[in-house]
Amino acid sequence: AQKVTQAQTEISVVEKEDVTLDCVYETRDTTYYLFWYKQPPSGELVFLIRRNSFDEQNEISGRYSWNFQKSTSSFNFTITASQVVDSAVYFCALNTGGFKTIFGAGTRLFVKA
Amino acid sequence: GAGVSQSPSNKVTEKGKDVELRCDPISGHTALYWYRQSLGQGLEFLIYFQGNSAPDKSGLPSDRFSAERTGGSVSTLTIQRTQQEDSAVYLCASTVGNGRTDTQYFGPGTRLTVL
Repeated sequence: AQKVTQAQTEISVVEKEDVTLDCVYETRDTTYYLFWYKQPPSGELVFLIRRNSFDEQNEISGRYSWNFQKSTSSFNFTITASQVVDSAVYFCALNTGGFKTIFGAGTRLFVKA
Repeated sequence: GAGVSQSPSNKVTEKGKDVELRCDPISGHTALYWYRQSLGQGLEFLIYFQGNSAPDKSGLPSDRFSAERTGGSVSTLTIQRTQQEDSAVYLCASTVGNGRTDTQYFGPGTRLTVL
């Protein structure tokens, strides 16, 4: 079975704090893709990153960084020096090569000024 | 713009009425998805279209739900005899390729409220 778990339902931080959003996935496939999407209050999901299962190299993009660890089946997302504009719901997703992408329930991040 | 568009943005209907939700994917994208997002929930897959292939309808929750994609472009999701539990945001997404591992580009969604 394939599953994505985002255990944190809501996180609240103060601006400039670092915050990590957890994502744990389950799959028996050896080839798979992991995604993070951001859903701001406007509602439209925005793609952030895609990683394949053969590339465990961590990635940094500005204030965003992702830590992919196959040993723990985790693909965590860290925002450094958070800003109010980071307030959104963040979804982690898994695709194992079929057409269905499995989404986690999402983590709602509140960044207070 | 060049993104995925959906209409209407908001729809309020009475229980028992039929509704049609429209999705215009990005031009040239061959795969199209419909998802449902209930309040505070993740995305629930509904249906997938890929080119001229038969759609995969395995995610449709009941036979009151149907969808079609005309000319490989615009898609319409129809909900017949709406129920209050159908209230949700309906999201459409498209991908360049067959959608399997492609990045999905989402529309802004249609918020459906069934009174």
